[in-house]
Amino acid sequence: GESVGLHLPTLSVQEGDNSIINCAYSNSASDYFIWYKQESGKGPQFIIDIRSNMDKRQGQRVTVLLNKTVKHLSLQIAATQPGDSAVYFCAVSSMYSGGGADGLTFGKGTHLIIQP
Amino acid sequence: DAGVIQSPRHEVTEMGQEVTLRCKPISGHNSLFWYRQTMMRGLELLIYFNNNVPIDDSGMPEDRFSAKMPNASFSTLKIQPSEPRDSAVYFCASSLSRMGTYEQYFGPGTRLTVT
Repeated sequence: GESVGLHLPTLSVQEGDNSIINCAYSNSASDYFIWYKQESGKGPQFIIDIRSNMDKRQGQRVTVLLNKTVKHLSLQIAATQPGDSAVYFCAVSSMYSGGGADGLTFGKGTHLIIQP
Repeated sequence: DAGVIQSPRHEVTEMGQEVTLRCKPISGHNSLFWYRQTMMRGLELLIYFNNNVPIDDSGMPEDRFSAKMPNASFSTLKIQPSEPRDSAVYFCASSLSRMGTYEQYFGPGTRLTVT
């Protein structure tokens, strides 16, 4: 099965700085990767995803990097803001031939703390 | 769109009682997922459905747990009998599985406390 590892349970950064959150996965057959943000008392909220045929994808202030060779995934948040404070989870899945995706295997999460 | 709707938001029950959690996925979505979140184990997939059919229930902890999806707009997760170790936040998520996009949208969760 798949396991998703956590590199750092807590990350504290200054407001305005860039943040990098890392994640490792074990199953080389995994081909779909997602980052979620979870605020206290809420469900996970989609940030950005990437498929295995890509190694980089950018969104608004966020970039996801995928290194399939070492099975490593990272989320970069540019110019962090107080509203970025949350727990960030990477999640891994596999797409199946029917055109859907399996359920997600989540990492334990990194708590991002933004210092004023 | 109202998003994924879960009820109840909070449930407190005594050990041995039956608990039923409910989920209404986003209209038009064809996949539905049940997850459980605890401090110790994080977010775990319990079961998921595609077009109302259970695809993988290997994450269901034991026979006390069961899930149904009688139609495209409703699913239940039942625990009978409940135990204190079932205390967790249970999330339902839905997605529209099609080539190129598999994003899962999560509901607000049901916080279950079994005393």
